[in-house]
Amino acid sequence: DSGVTQTPKHLITATGQRVTLRCSPRSGDLSVYWYQQSLDQGLQFLIQYYNGEERAKGNILERFSAQQFPDLHSELNLSSLELGDSALYFCASSVSGQGENEQFFGPGTRLTVL
Amino acid sequence: DQQVKQNSPSLSVQEGRISILNCDYTNSMFDYFLWYKKYPAEGPTFLISISSIKDKNEDGRFTVFLNKSAKHLSLHIVPSQPGDSAVYFCAASDTGGFKTIFGAGTRLFVKA
Repeated sequence: DSGVTQTPKHLITATGQRVTLRCSPRSGDLSVYWYQQSLDQGLQFLIQYYNGEERAKGNILERFSAQQFPDLHSELNLSSLELGDSALYFCASSVSGQGENEQFFGPGTRLTVL
Repeated sequence: DQQVKQNSPSLSVQEGRISILNCDYTNSMFDYFLWYKKYPAEGPTFLISISSIKDKNEDGRFTVFLNKSAKHLSLHIVPSQPGDSAVYFCAASDTGGFKTIFGAGTRLFVKA
């Protein structure tokens, strides 16, 4: 158990809909990352937050947005969903968010868009 | 633009033998490298890392080698065990930077 929790575990929705994925970081970690893993693909970095502020952005679509709240939990909002958004979405946390810090991953949320 | 490449999607090894997983990177700004292991239905877990000031780091059965001039690193597992069967991700970052770039992963099968 990494200490990072993600809800829900599974989500099935239709094209055009909007969903929210939630992540609670490990106790004491200030930084949260979001990754997308599509079928047979690697982990695509989406976005990183540190203590409530956006710190780095990767290949995140404009239809996607995220935030980190004062209690350090984070939410990833996906809107106008398309079939290609079906993927595993992982949240990870680390102490300071620096590149050399080990990241602790949650179990992921599997999103299926029908 | 794939900055971190793991060109072997899969690798099969006999139990007790050595497993060698390879990773190449293109960005010369990367100076810290990590390996993560992932079992089905779980998130990746950190395995071992190496800073660019070193060329080798060892932790039990796991050793990572870094060749900066070739922009290449490898993970050696000796001896391989069936429980090592998983997907291994190579990741790279620059210390002080905030992005960590992951490779596509290599699925390792260790046969008993």
